[in-house]
Amino acid sequence: SQKIEQNSEALNIQEGKTATLTCNYTNYSPAYLQWYRQDPGRGPVFLLLIRENEKEKRKERLKVTFDTTLKQSLFHITASQPADSATYLCALYTSGTYKYIFGTGTRLKVLA
Amino acid sequence: GAGVSQSPSNKVTEKGKDVELRCDPISGHTALYWYRQRLGQGLEFLIYFQGNSAPDKSGLPSDRFSAERTGESVSTLTIQRTQQEDSAVYLCASSYSGDSYNYGYTFGSGTRLTVV
Repeated sequence: SQKIEQNSEALNIQEGKTATLTCNYTNYSPAYLQWYRQDPGRGPVFLLLIRENEKEKRKERLKVTFDTTLKQSLFHITASQPADSATYLCALYTSGTYKYIFGTGTRLKVLA
Repeated sequence: GAGVSQSPSNKVTEKGKDVELRCDPISGHTALYWYRQRLGQGLEFLIYFQGNSAPDKSGLPSDRFSAERTGESVSTLTIQRTQQEDSAVYLCASSYSGDSYNYGYTFGSGTRLTVV
């Protein structure tokens, strides 16, 4: 069956370190992959999109990688800050479906 | 408007009653999506509207759920004969048309539905 897996356990890291979150998928062939941030009581906010033919995408302190052989995306936040504390969701788009399917998210806590 | 607006923000209803949730997308966004998020869970796709095309209803969990959209504007999600398992946050998102896969979705803050 199709699955998108994100670590359900919260990730705690020290301020200033690099946070790395993982999104693994099975039985999908995504053409696009997105990462979102969600704060408590709010809707998700779009951060980055990466296409299947792209290996890496950067935006300020954020970096996303996409390995279609490993069926995995990694999301990195460098020089993390307490304000980066939130839940991060990955979402996959498969051609012809016209919609994104979301993972369950990983909660990140950056400790001051 | 500046963002996706959803109302009400909170709704408590008795089991068996019908509820109607409203979503006002960003002007110019022709694609509109409804997702459901149960406590501590990911987003579950419900329905997708794109312009005047037939909606993709493949995620609706039962025939108690229905949604409408008038043109490229407001959408309403209706849940009939609510059950306690319907308790969740219902999120609406909108996006540009055609290339909606190429852009991020803009989400509203959601409607928190509690069925008692």
